[in-house]
Amino acid sequence: AQSVTQLDSQVPVFEEAPVELRCNYSSSVSVYLFWYVQYPNQGLQLLLKYLSGSTLVESINGFEAEFNKSQTSFHLRKPSVHISDTAEYFCAVNNAGGTSYGKLTFGQGTILTVHP
Amino acid sequence: DADVTQTPRNRITKTGKRIMLECSQTKGHDRMYWYRQDPGLGLRLIYYSFDVKDINKGEISDGYSVSRQAQAKFSLSLESAIPNQTALYFCATSSASSGNTIYFGEGSWLTVV
Repeated sequence: AQSVTQLDSQVPVFEEAPVELRCNYSSSVSVYLFWYVQYPNQGLQLLLKYLSGSTLVESINGFEAEFNKSQTSFHLRKPSVHISDTAEYFCAVNNAGGTSYGKLTFGQGTILTVHP
Repeated sequence: DADVTQTPRNRITKTGKRIMLECSQTKGHDRMYWYRQDPGLGLRLIYYSFDVKDINKGEISDGYSVSRQAQAKFSLSLESAIPNQTALYFCATSSASSGNTIYFGEGSWLTVV
């Protein structure tokens, strides 16, 4: 079985400040890792993903996440946030093999609120 | 137009009624999923289908059923709706060629009163 824990349910931050949204996972097999973003009243959009290769992955809007296998973490960071980054962020894990292949398990979500 | 389309987008129904949520996709993906979202619980998998003849229960399938009418269509039914099934429901798709990335529809708000 696999599980995902997002350590903060809400993260308030001021505009242009750095932010880190924390995600830890557990799995008995190799994993693929994802961050999805849900803007108010919208569906989920893929923000970035780690499948293999470089452990640091980046999105087009300035977010990055680093896969840390020893700490089973995939924290999301941005050095300077904008008001438009206000949204709920979901970390998710997908087993790279085994019976859970192809199914995403989600964390509980972190609501990021950026204040002016 | 959206690649993954859900209908209806919003529905209020009464306890005990049967309700169907429909999903269609134009991405050509073979895998389809139904998730429900509840505040503080993230998204939980209800059912998934890896091809037309393959249907599998997810972690919270009780009270739900599904039908994969074609590769592009996957519907979710609540045979006898109850208030704790009030939630936001998402259909999603993926394929091996999508790099295991799952693509979501815009969601269907269901309220059971």
